[in-house]
Amino acid sequence: DIVMTQSPDSLAVSLGERATINCRSSQSVLYSSDNKNYLAWYQQKPGQPPKLLINWASTRESGVPDRFSGSGSGTDFTLTISSLQAEDVAVYYCQQCYSTPLTFGGGTKVEIK
Amino acid sequence: EVQLVESGGGLVQPGGSLTLSCAASGFRFSAYWMSWVRQAPGKGLEWVANIRQDGSEKKYVDSVKGRFNISRDNAKNSLYLQLNNVRVEDTAVYYCASQGAQWWDIFDIWGQGTMVTVSS
Repeated sequence: DIVMTQSPDSLAVSLGERATINCRSSQSVLYSSDNKNYLAWYQQKPGQPPKLLINWASTRESGVPDRFSGSGSGTDFTLTISSLQAEDVAVYYCQQCYSTPLTFGGGTKVEIK
Repeated sequence: EVQLVESGGGLVQPGGSLTLSCAASGFRFSAYWMSWVRQAPGKGLEWVANIRQDGSEKKYVDSVKGRFNISRDNAKNSLYLQLNNVRVEDTAVYYCASQGAQWWDIFDIWGQGTMVTVSS
């Protein structure tokens, strides 16, 4: 099984400041035949289901604000919120879809400082 | 409106059974792999199982293999999860989620979830 490890577990950032979340996979999720990283990011607000933010490690879903960006390749990935807004308070999860079982990171809780 | 609505959750005793349902609307249900993802209280997300468009292929996380069965009825735009021999550790909110045309596609549509509590 591919283990997804996120860091930090939580972080508090001032409004307008940058938030950075890291995700590491226990093996590469880069598929050589199409050169795509099978890595997604989700946002989950309290009492709500998760919402897909980013696919293929760096492709923003339609309607997702451009302050959210994803980067990385192979085993190390980052989700960046360039200017934190109040509505971004949530738990963020990375997920690999390279192999089954499909696995998620443990989540990173983002709060306002 | 694209929507997934789960139902069937509740309180069940250890060793008991329960069937969850998920009704899809607003999109071509029969064209997509479908999954169940669960979330224990205060914990993270865990993928449970998924099923191919025609039901011919099913995948499960090891912890539920032999106990849970995923199925679908494309004529009714519905997804099911039968939970058998449940354990306390199966207590969670169960979400249904649509994937794309492949089992490796992301979870792009989520339901609101249904709570399953396993307790004596």
